Parts: sequence; C-alpha cells; structure tokens
Amino acid sequence: LAKTTQPISMDSYEGQEVNITCSHNNIATNDYITWYQQFPSQGPRFIIQGYKTKVTNEVASLFIPADRKSSTLSLPRVSLSDTAVYYCLVGDTNFGNEKLTFGTGTRLTIIP
Amino acid sequence: DAEITQSPRHKITETGRQVTLACHQTWNHNNMFWYRQDLGHGLRLIHYSYGVQDTNKGEVSDGYSVSRSNTEDLPLTLESAASSQTSVYFCASSAAGGRTGELFFGEGSRLTVL
Repeated sequence: LAKTTQPISMDSYEGQEVNITCSHNNIATNDYITWYQQFPSQGPRFIIQGYKTKVTNEVASLFIPADRKSSTLSLPRVSLSDTAVYYCLVGDTNFGNEKLTFGTGTRLTIIP
Repeated sequence: DAEITQSPRHKITETGRQVTLACHQTWNHNNMFWYRQDLGHGLRLIHYSYGVQDTNKGEVSDGYSVSRSNTEDLPLTLESAASSQTSVYFCASSAAGGRTGELFFGEGSRLTVL
C-alpha cells in the first residue's frame, strides 16, 4: 500500500494559485491518485483523480510526472472558501476503498 | 437527489452505555464504510461492508460492530462506550467496482463519552 507524504499546513493569499504536493515513492502500477477536500464540520469531498500526466476539472488540476512518485494538486485563484484540509490518497480502488488510507492531510488557510 | 445521512449529529453518553449511530444512503451503493476522525490521526477505518450481510473489520474495529441487513443502512454500534471512543464519526458509501471509487461522506456524528 503506497504511503503518502504531504505538508501539514500551507497559507496563501486570496487570488493566488496554490499547489499542494504529495509524494508517494512506492506507488504501484495499478494505483490511482485521488484528492479529497474537507471543510470544518463536514465529511471529505472528492475533488479529482488521476493516473498520469494532467487532469483538470472545474475545481482543480492534478499534475502527475512520468515516474508517478509525486503529484501536485493545483487550485487556481483561491478564495477564502478554499480554506480546508486536503487529503492525497493513493491506491487501486478497483479492489475496494478499504485499502485507501487518509493521512492527516494538508491544512490550507487562505488569508484575505 | 441521492444523499447519505447520519444520525444523531451530536450525542453525549456515559461510559458503559450502548450507543448506535445510524447511516442511511439513497445512492443504492453496495459499499459502505465507517471512519472515525481524531486530531492528529486523520480518518481511520472502523468497519466496512461490500453488500448485504457482508461486514469486515477495518484498522480500528475493537469495541465497534456493524450489521448490514439492507443496501441503504449500516448502523455502527458501540457495545460499551469508552472515553477513548469520543470522536467524530463519518459514514461513507461508494459504488461497487470501477476505477473511480469515489467515496460519498455523510456530515458526521460527534460522540462524547463521559
């Protein structure tokens, strides 16, 4: 099971682009990379998932280099409402979500 | 709209009492999960189920039990509540199979054991 490492916390100003990097050196061939967002007093919410190169949706972009040993979640032009904890998960969800482990995540604080 | 709901949202109980937290989803998902969240530990898996009559232990299952009698519900029972079980509990569900494996979480149940 691939272990992930991400910064404990980050601060950014409103309007800036924020990049949160996650390292997963022992990622397996069949593993996907998934990011969740959690606001205070709420359950986590799926943001984005990718396998390689770049994935973009209406919320974020996910950049994955060729060796897949790390990934970067990019949030464009953040606002105060992006203040949350962001979790990076790595695993083969085809075999069940129980193998996905939520670490302590990255606490992102957006400053006015 | 489909959803997943937990009840109660807040509960205070005493050590030794039995407590049941309810989880109900209308996504018609086969997979359901219970997590607990504590400061410094992220979310830890307690129990999970891949279908009716199927239940499995997760990382921190001691002192907890679940039952799955239908697709929609996975109640979590604390047989004899302990202060160490004071936590925020999250229920989640996901569709069976497929690569996405997107988890849909409830709003959480905050349990305090005195």
